[in-house]
Amino acid sequence: AQSVTQLGSHVSVSEGALVLLRCNYSSSVPPYLFWYVQYPNQGLQLLLKYTSAATLVKGINGFEAEFKKSETSFHLTKPSAHMSDAAEYFCAVGSDNAGNMLTFGGGTRLMVKP
Amino acid sequence: KAGVTQTPRYLIKTRGQQVTLSCSPISGHRSVSWYQQTPGQGLQFLFEYFSETQRNKGNFPGRFSGRQFSNSRSEMNVSTLELGDSALYLCASSLGQTGGSIYGYTFGSGTRLTVV
Repeated sequence: AQSVTQLGSHVSVSEGALVLLRCNYSSSVPPYLFWYVQYPNQGLQLLLKYTSAATLVKGINGFEAEFKKSETSFHLTKPSAHMSDAAEYFCAVGSDNAGNMLTFGGGTRLMVKP
Repeated sequence: KAGVTQTPRYLIKTRGQQVTLSCSPISGHRSVSWYQQTPGQGLQFLFEYFSETQRNKGNFPGRFSGRQFSNSRSEMNVSTLELGDSALYLCASSLGQTGGSIYGYTFGSGTRLTVV
């Protein structure tokens, strides 16, 4: 069974500050990990994914995430927040024995203050 | 290439009615998954279809059903609508039998269903 926990349903940062969104996963087999972003009334857009090639993964819009197996974490970071980063972010886990299913975390709403 | 297309984008229905939502996946993608998104419950998996067969089903009542056609387009149907069915319904397509869990999904923009 797989599960994802996103710590903090709401995160607020100032424009230009570091963004850190936390994700911890549980999986009995090697996981594939994803971060998605959702803007209001839109679908989810893939930001980045970890598929075992490299532990530090770079995505779109300046975001990156680091896979830490010992901590079962896949936190999302961005050095400098922009107003346009305000959205909801979802972490998800998949695996080779999960069929075609992704398990999503509860989401973190990022607010960026001017 | 064209993305995942969901129609309609917005829908208002009355309690007790039924509704059909449509999803056209990315060309070449044979797997279509459906999710319900609400503020209280987050993203909840409804079902997944691959090559016209339902492979996985989430924990939803039988009022929720779906199907997939030979061209991979999918529909989901909700009968006897309840107020609690108001949600954003998201369709996601992926390549192959396990592409979603390995490479991720491509989502449509969703259908916003409001039940009054």
